[in-house]
Amino acid sequence: NAGVMQNPRHLVRRRGQEARLRCSPMKGHSHVYWYRQLPEEGLKFMVYLQKENIIDESGMPKERFSAEFPKEGPSILRIQQVVRGDSAAYFCASSSTSGGAWEQYFGPGTRLTVT
Amino acid sequence: AQSVTQPDIHITVSEGASLELRCNYSYGATPYLFWYVQSPGQGLQLLLKYFSGDTLVQGIKGFEAEFKRSQSSFNLRKPSVHWSDAAEYFCAVVDGGSNYKLTFGKGTLLTVNP
Repeated sequence: NAGVMQNPRHLVRRRGQEARLRCSPMKGHSHVYWYRQLPEEGLKFMVYLQKENIIDESGMPKERFSAEFPKEGPSILRIQQVVRGDSAAYFCASSSTSGGAWEQYFGPGTRLTVT
Repeated sequence: AQSVTQPDIHITVSEGASLELRCNYSYGATPYLFWYVQSPGQGLQLLLKYFSGDTLVQGIKGFEAEFKRSQSSFNLRKPSVHWSDAAEYFCAVVDGGSNYKLTFGKGTLLTVNP
């Protein structure tokens, strides 16, 4: 059973460009969570999605960031007009139910560098 | 808001030596606490968790952790480290308003010398 897949693993964008980060949950999982790890910081919760629904986006920056989890295909975290402060590692996790954090399986992360 | 502190950014131990990684939390009520490990190129893997009850919890790969309310600590231990334990270790706590929103410490990188 393949784990949580994230791609690309490394992404370089110039300031002002768009970044799209993809997360394919584990087979059978319909709940996805995104976390961000800024340099010298711990991972912080961004958003929780179920298929076609945003459940909790309390950790998302108010502007330029959006997330979706369509009925078919991976979950996408989209960052428009990236700035240097967006450089971070972005982790995705998935679970089969809306249960607790202990049921979340994490992907290897995408390292975003904004130049 | 709750927070997690891992005071040691990098620790080096010799193979076979004992290990203790420190974690302190700030949280008003009884926290749900976790330790994760991330090997290079891999996702975070849950080592163990504490919810309530026995303050000494056993995890996978021979790890254990002890919850000490008086010290607001949840330190991770292993009696004899193996070279394959070299990785980054994260302590985390769940947000009191939800059971899915994790807050992590900055991590401790463990190097194991032969």
